[in-house]
Amino acid sequence: EAQVTQNPRYLITVTGKKLTVTCSQNMNHEYMSWYRQDPGLGLRQIYYSMNVEVTDKGDVPEGYKVSRKEKRNFPLILESPSPNQTSLYFCASRPGPNTDTQYFGPGTRLTVL
Amino acid sequence: TQLLEQSPQFLSIQEGENLTVYCNSSSVFSSLQWYRQEPGEGPVLLVTVVTGGEVKKLKRLTFQFGDARKDSSLHITAAQPGDTGLYLCAEMNYGGSQGNLIFGKGTKLSVKP
Repeated sequence: EAQVTQNPRYLITVTGKKLTVTCSQNMNHEYMSWYRQDPGLGLRQIYYSMNVEVTDKGDVPEGYKVSRKEKRNFPLILESPSPNQTSLYFCASRPGPNTDTQYFGPGTRLTVL
Repeated sequence: TQLLEQSPQFLSIQEGENLTVYCNSSSVFSSLQWYRQEPGEGPVLLVTVVTGGEVKKLKRLTFQFGDARKDSSLHITAAQPGDTGLYLCAEMNYGGSQGNLIFGKGTKLSVKP
């Protein structure tokens, strides 16, 4: 089954404690991205990756890092989380940047105290 | 950056009723996508419209793209409780980071049995 998986699904942490949210896709897609979803602001892109070892900033990259060492995995790293990073995070993938069918993961609800 | 306005923000109806939700832009869309997001899940692509005046049907859902490609609508006939969810429109932001989808804030639909 074609899917995007994220872990963990829920996370409560404290300010400053480094964390990683993993994302994996089994569709051999080149393009992957991370979004955050906040009430009143909608979905906003954090980072994206066009292929292995190719990553770039989206609209709201501050406070986040990513890596793309393998095609299937695209982890999101918060080196020093702060309360304003409390949000619902989605990983997404699609075959290429201009192809229309984007698949989203199930989401990770992060709370930073 | 293109802004996508969705209306209404919230809609609560009884099973069997018809409804229409709208997505409008300050400028011309290159193409437009509609997604449905159910509680606790990621958005799922419903349709992509590309050509001005285009109409696409997906069972009880009818998607229309305005002639001038600055607006789109989603009409649901005989709504069912399973239609409950957040309906999002999105457009590829060719002026920004590659492959970035710009999302509207969504219409939250509740269909009561």
